[in-house]
Amino acid sequence: QQQVKQSPQSLIVQKGGIPIINCAYENTAFDYFPWYQQFPGKGPALLIAIRPDVSEKKEGRFTISFNKSAKQFSLHIMDSQPGDSATYFCAASISGRRALTFGSGTRLQVQP
Amino acid sequence: NAGVMQNPRHLVRRRGQEARLRCSPMKGHSHVYWYRQLPEEGLKFMVYLQKENIIDESGMPKERFSAEFPKEGPSILRIQQVVRGDSAAYFCASSPDGGSYEQYFGPGTRLTVT
Repeated sequence: QQQVKQSPQSLIVQKGGIPIINCAYENTAFDYFPWYQQFPGKGPALLIAIRPDVSEKKEGRFTISFNKSAKQFSLHIMDSQPGDSATYFCAASISGRRALTFGSGTRLQVQP
Repeated sequence: NAGVMQNPRHLVRRRGQEARLRCSPMKGHSHVYWYRQLPEEGLKFMVYLQKENIIDESGMPKERFSAEFPKEGPSILRIQQVVRGDSAAYFCASSPDGGSYEQYFGPGTRLTVT
């Protein structure tokens, strides 16, 4: 019940495409959902986060869509660039706690 | 404003030795978290600390692992009598004072046990 399931495991898109990464959860107590970007050998960097009271949030080229009834959320990267090639992780935390439960990651490759 | 700092960046230990990993949070951050990442896997929560207090250690192995965040100085994750299975990247994150849940990660310490 604590798991966050992430898909796909890997994704290849052409430059300018819109990769979509999906996450699903079971625990309805989750109420904070961040996305992180990680380059090889580096720490995860916070991209964008959402709470269940909104269905969509945009920051620059990154958009989170949130479907509370389906217990799913997704990351869209608009106008993707080769520099976006990285591993992306979704995560969630339970109300009142701060420990993040991470998905297994999606390795994105944006081809020139 | 410097980011979260971790040292050492790489640490090699023989089986049975002790490993000490250090984390200095961002300025103005009093919440510190430790996560472990095995190769090709996501991060797993280990422990959450505030100054001088362990708030949540639900992800810490029961033996050999301990963490502290003293009043002065960095947070330390200590692994006693390391085994090969402890080889991983250990990341520290910090959150600002107040109600924000945003966690900012350091560059990690890559521990190799030989």
